[in-house]
Amino acid sequence: AQKVTQTQTSISVMEKTTVTMDCVYETRDSSYFLFWYKQTASGEIVFLIRQDSYKKENATEGHYSLNFQKPKSSIGLIITATQIEDSAVYFCAMREEASSSFSKLVFGQGTSLSVVP
Amino acid sequence: DMKVTQMPRYLIKRMGENVLLECGQDMSHETMYWYRQDPGLGLQLIYISYDVDSNSEGDIPKGYRVSRKKREHFSLILDSAKTNQTSVYFCASSLGTQTLYFGSGTRLTVL
Repeated sequence: AQKVTQTQTSISVMEKTTVTMDCVYETRDSSYFLFWYKQTASGEIVFLIRQDSYKKENATEGHYSLNFQKPKSSIGLIITATQIEDSAVYFCAMREEASSSFSKLVFGQGTSLSVVP
Repeated sequence: DMKVTQMPRYLIKRMGENVLLECGQDMSHETMYWYRQDPGLGLQLIYISYDVDSNSEGDIPKGYRVSRKKREHFSLILDSAKTNQTSVYFCASSLGTQTLYFGSGTRLTVL
């Protein structure tokens, strides 16, 4: 069964620095999709960035980028030049392509990021 | 502008009452979802709808049912609500296996 694990419960960083949030996953499928979402203080869940397993290049989107290490089943989220408004809970998620419930998205437990001035 | 809209944002009900949570999307996505979020448990999938009248149970369907009569609209129904159904409910939609887009959530309290 698929599983997503985020071991960092909370992280605090200084504004304008770079932060990496870890995520490891378990899957038997050779094709899958990995996502990072941000949940703001108001509760909104916002899509940030996505990595398809067959792509070797790490995805980037604005000041978000991914460190995809397929042999380690790891997908880290890197935020550069952090801003106060990046303070939020970040969720890693995975969807398998070939499972019987192909549309199911499984989430990690989340990492709370606090960016301080 | 891509949007998933949930109504209402906040809802208080008494145990045993029926609850209707509504969700709409304007992206013509065929797949829609209902999740609930509880502290320490993360986001748990309740139901998936692959299109009109094509619904499948997720991981925690007990106590819930859904209705999808139009592609842009997906409802979650709690018949005779229970206190352990107090939670934040999120609706989402996607185009096939593509990215999920979430609504703003409904905070349901069952007294």
